[in-house]
Amino acid sequence: RKEVEQDPGPFNVPEGATVAFNCTYSNSASQSFFWYRQDCRKEPKLLMSVYSSGNEDGRFTAQLNRASQYISLLIRDSKLSDSATYLCVVPTGGGSYIPTFGRGTSLIVHP
Amino acid sequence: DTAVSQTPKYLVTQMGNDKSIKCEQNLGHDTMYWYKQDSKKFLKIMFSYNNKELIINETVPNRFSPKSPDKAHLNLHINSLELGDSAVYFCASSPFERGAGETQYFGPGTRLLVL
Repeated sequence: RKEVEQDPGPFNVPEGATVAFNCTYSNSASQSFFWYRQDCRKEPKLLMSVYSSGNEDGRFTAQLNRASQYISLLIRDSKLSDSATYLCVVPTGGGSYIPTFGRGTSLIVHP
Repeated sequence: DTAVSQTPKYLVTQMGNDKSIKCEQNLGHDTMYWYKQDSKKFLKIMFSYNNKELIINETVPNRFSPKSPDKAHLNLHINSLELGDSAVYFCASSPFERGAGETQYFGPGTRLLVL
């Protein structure tokens, strides 16, 4: 299994839809997980961090499943402005200190 | 004020040349990183420095040499540029040594094109 895997998409959804992405990871020792958002031709920006079972911020919910080694990102009531690439980040390496990015999941929200 | 800045934003150069990219952060963070994002948008870490000390060096050709004159600056020098070096290079910073466990703040990126 690759260290961090994401479905590249694109996920093409209408405004108002609920969409979920998964990210699987191989390092069972990882303790912290992150979702970043990257707009076209821009830098990644932190969306959410997950240190325990999950985190919620408005329309966004991140869940961690340690047994199955994946994290998910749920977006409710999608907006046009949610269109972006969503990057999963998991620390890997012997000391779990190397930030390893997934390849990203592309989301397109259409009217 | 820009938190993490990079110069230049665009760099077009010929194969075989040597070039440098500069990065500065005004967040007071201890750790800084260089990432490469290729044409398939895969973002891969290259180097990380904590308080001017190299802590991550990920299978990068030795044509790439990072330098950290102080903890607010991390520069990247590339010798003998090759076509495959064309990519977007992002600098980032985070507050702690084990920065993988903390939020990273990215610069706007430097788009390098090697002809």
